[in-house]
Amino acid sequence: GQQVMQIPQYQHVQEGEDFTTYCNSSTTLSNIQWYKQRPGGHPVFLIQLVKSGEVKKQKRLTFQFGEAKKNSSLHITATQTTDVGTYFCAGPYGQNFVFGPGTRLSVLP
Amino acid sequence: DGGITQSPKYLFRKEGQNVTLSCEQNLNHDAMYWYRQDPGQGLRLIYYSQIVNDFQKGDIAEGYSVSREKKESFPLTVTSAQKNPTAFYLCASSIFPGQEGYEQYFGPGTRLTVT
Repeated sequence: GQQVMQIPQYQHVQEGEDFTTYCNSSTTLSNIQWYKQRPGGHPVFLIQLVKSGEVKKQKRLTFQFGEAKKNSSLHITATQTTDVGTYFCAGPYGQNFVFGPGTRLSVLP
Repeated sequence: DGGITQSPKYLFRKEGQNVTLSCEQNLNHDAMYWYRQDPGQGLRLIYYSQIVNDFQKGDIAEGYSVSREKKESFPLTVTSAQKNPTAFYLCASSIFPGQEGYEQYFGPGTRLTVT
């Protein structure tokens, strides 16, 4: 079946440093979604990418969809303590989503 | 306010008892989902439903059951057959998969502890 992998599993950064998480699918995706889950909270939708090579920005967050539509990345510039949480990518599989295992980000003040 | 509600937030049960977790949405979404999340882990799909009176097994359906008698409601029963039921359970909904903008909206979750 389809697999969605993410690296790294954990990332500890100093506040102000940049952060990147990578998502890789075993199959070509029609689109990819990113979610953020704060500690103790529930996943919240961030963005959806659809086009090959697409790049979208949300303030300090930059999302990219690979040319082959099998990988994606999320880059955070100048992390803040509010960025703490787990970032998940998710790709469609049939009528459902397959979520990656997530990257847990810790930001040290 | 539109959204998804799950209750209770915390639930404690003795081993061998069935327990039902509620999930209600007023977003008029067609599809609803149940996920299980273990500490430090990702989301694993238990069951999903795309229309009323129809639902499908996900990756880890054994020991769980669901019903979808109303569009707004998708309760999950954790049966005594589930070997490791202690986990964080998340309900989600979306418009019909495949349509533009079918991101999933998650409820606040229920933390189930079985001893």
